[in-house]
Amino acid sequence: KNEVEQSPQNLTAQEGEFITINCSYSVGISALHWLQQHPGGGIVSLFMLSSGKKKHGRLIATINIQEKHSSLHITASHPRDSAVYICAVRGTSGSRLTFGEGTQLTVNP
Amino acid sequence: DGGITQSPKYLFRKEGQNVTLSCEQNLNHDAMYWYRQDPGQGLRLIYYSQIVNDFQKGDIAEGYSVSREKKESFPLTVTSAQKNPTAFYLCASSPPRGGALGNQPQHFGDGTRLSIL
Repeated sequence: KNEVEQSPQNLTAQEGEFITINCSYSVGISALHWLQQHPGGGIVSLFMLSSGKKKHGRLIATINIQEKHSSLHITASHPRDSAVYICAVRGTSGSRLTFGEGTQLTVNP
Repeated sequence: DGGITQSPKYLFRKEGQNVTLSCEQNLNHDAMYWYRQDPGQGLRLIYYSQIVNDFQKGDIAEGYSVSREKKESFPLTVTSAQKNPTAFYLCASSPPRGGALGNQPQHFGDGTRLSIL
């Protein structure tokens, strides 16, 4: 079993829909990251959180430390949101990240 | 603007040949990382360096080598010992964990796609 599990692996939505991507992890962490990878391959950091909830524009990230679970929500989805969304966790020592396999999101117009 | 530059974007290697992937950052970050990404798999850590002239093996270091002679640069060499080098390679950097910038995310380059001829 991977230390970081994401679901779903693939997600197709219609423009305007509310989207949720889930991430569960099995180790103690100091921080959890949500990353976005566009078709060209470059990766952008969306959020880094260790508790509670963060919001940036139409994106919301939440984390429940007790349940070892995080969700990434996208409100009013748009085709430009189409990308791979990756969850990564940083352990309690060092700066290394462990990555989930990613969720491929496709938003159709 | 500060960032991470990886070059080349696409690279082709002949059997038995070593190739070097470049990674340069002007973010003044101490830590740098090399990851490999294969289809359907999460990023896997090849090597990382937390300070100049020091680096550690990651989870899949066999067949790879690195150097960290300058803070800004962390080149990755894919040697002929790496039997399955075809993959997408990503470089990243971050401030050290301690200090005012310790709680910052990793910054990623745009990647290099390596293929075998």
